[in-house]
Amino acid sequence: KNEVEQSPQNLTAQEGEFITINCSYSVGISALHWLQQHPGGGIVSLFMLSSGKKKHGRLIATINIQEKHSSLHITASHPRDSAVYICAVSSNYQLIWGAGTKLIIKP
Amino acid sequence: EPEVTQTPSHQVTQMGQEVILRCVPISNHLYFYWYRQILGQKVEFLVSFYNNEISEKSEIFDDQFSVERPDGSNFTLKIRSTKLEDSAMYFCASRGQESYEQYFGPGTRLTVT
Repeated sequence: KNEVEQSPQNLTAQEGEFITINCSYSVGISALHWLQQHPGGGIVSLFMLSSGKKKHGRLIATINIQEKHSSLHITASHPRDSAVYICAVSSNYQLIWGAGTKLIIKP
Repeated sequence: EPEVTQTPSHQVTQMGQEVILRCVPISNHLYFYWYRQILGQKVEFLVSFYNNEISEKSEIFDDQFSVERPDGSNFTLKIRSTKLEDSAMYFCASRGQESYEQYFGPGTRLTVT
């Protein structure tokens, strides 16, 4: 069993739709990260959180420590949001990565 | 804004050759990491480095791999004798003392032929 599970694996939506990507983990963590990877391969950190909720522009990330679950939401989605969104958890000295969710937003 | 840089952006090498991938972490960061991503697969942890020594390494990081901080700015990953299956994107990351947030370099695409 993977220590970090994401769902869905792939998501296609229309511009403007509200997007939710889920992440569940099974290990003890010190923090959870949401990252974005564009087709060129570069990785950008979106959020790091250890409790509650964070918001940055149209992106919102929440975490429930008791349930070992986090969600990433995108409001008013736009084609430029198309990317792979990855959940990763800080455990011991390393990041444990989810497989990513490939998001495509159609105009 | 400070950023992590990596060179080269793309390296092509023949099987059995040694390669050195270079990273310049953010200057006041103390923790350094290497990850790799084989095409179509998820990112995998290779090694973490702190205080001039390896903190943790994964099963992937065998005797063919080594890391070094040769001076105050560079952090290198050496693969001694490359194999076809080493072909991947290699990402360097660094973080400071106060936060678990890691900052990633743009990656080096290694192609072993």
